[in-house]
Formats: sequence, C-alpha cells, structure tokens
Amino acid sequence: QKEVEQNSGPLSVPEGAIASLNCTYSDRGSQSFFWYRQYSGKSPELIMFIYSNGDKEDGRFTAQLNKASQYVSLLIRDSQPSDSATYLCAVNPRVGNNRKLIWGLGTSLAVNP
Amino acid sequence: DAGVIQSPRHEVTEMGQEVTLRCKPISGHDYLFWYRQTMMRGLELLIYFNNNVPIDDSGMPEDRFSAKMPNASFSTLKIQPSEPRDSAVYFCASTPGSGETQYFGPGTRLLVL
Repeated sequence: QKEVEQNSGPLSVPEGAIASLNCTYSDRGSQSFFWYRQYSGKSPELIMFIYSNGDKEDGRFTAQLNKASQYVSLLIRDSQPSDSATYLCAVNPRVGNNRKLIWGLGTSLAVNP
Repeated sequence: DAGVIQSPRHEVTEMGQEVTLRCKPISGHDYLFWYRQTMMRGLELLIYFNNNVPIDDSGMPEDRFSAKMPNASFSTLKIQPSEPRDSAVYFCASTPGSGETQYFGPGTRLLVL
C-alpha cells in the first residue's frame, strides 16, 4: 500500500527561526508532490508543489525534493506566529490523468513569539 | 471566484438518520473530490469524479455511503443510515483539468449521536 509518512510533531520553533518539515513516500514512481497548510478548524490550502529534484523557492518557503531518497521537505524561513498550523504532505503516485493524491497525517508546527 | 461551496457547514443528527452533504465546485473545474478527515486517520479520499463520472470510489467505506454528480456544478455525498463512527469533517475539493492543485471547500462538520 502506498504511504506518505510525516512526523506528527508538534514541531516548536522560535519566531524568526527556520522550520524544517519532512515527508517520506513509499512509491518510487511518484511524480508530483504538494505541501498544504491547514489552520485549526479550516480547510487545507496549497503552499507549494514540486515535480523535479532539487529546490523550489517561493517567498519564505522552499520545497526540496530528493527522488532517490524518496523524501520531500518544506523549509519556512523567518518563521512567524501566523505560520502555526498543520502542514500536510501529499503525493501523486502516477502520471497521466490520475488525480488521486496520497496524504500524510500532517505535522503540527508551533511558532513561538 | 466564489471558491468551492459546501453545505451545510455543520450537521448534527441521530444514528440511523440519512445525511446529505452538498458541494458546488469552482466553475470550469473538471475534477471533484470528496474527503473525510478525522484526527486518527487524517485526510481520506472517498471518491472522485472527472467530468461528472466517478473515477475512483475505492475509498468509500461501505454501502451506506453513496455519491452523485448529476452535473458539472453540483455533487452530493449521502450517508444512509448514519452511524456515530461517521462523525468527521467532510471536505469537497475541485481541480481544473489542466492542473493538479486541489482547492478545498470549507468542509461540513458532521456529528452523529
């Protein structure tokens, strides 16, 4: 069974620090990778997606993908209290028209002022 | 853009009753997803549609659950009869045909007593 694993946390970092969130996946053929943020009581919202090995940066967020090691990570620079949320990793294990994502259980992040 | 619309936002019912959840996807999106989220199991895909046709319903728990999409702008998820273990947040999400990002609705919080 295809799986996506995340450390449930909570991960606690001081304001202004770098938060590092990690995700591993079991299907070596996976092609696309997503990070969603979910505030308590709200719905998930997309932060970033990444398809290729290496880094992808968007503002304070950087996604890192290593297909050989089957992990994807999210770095949040200059963490703010407003970044406190649960971060969900999602993986699309196949190419083509498949739109089914496999989701991790999420990592809870707390940014302390 | 109005985003994905779900109704009702909250539902409290008694065991054995029929529950119907409703979703209006973002206009022009070809894919519609129904998810269930609980603390223990995280975000689980129940079923998804492409152009109103069910593509993958392997996540539907049992025959008590059914989903329909009679047209491109409306879908329902029905539970009959409902049980306490169905208590969860149910999300609807949609995706354009050209992309993979899933846009989530606000969710329906279901409590079955």
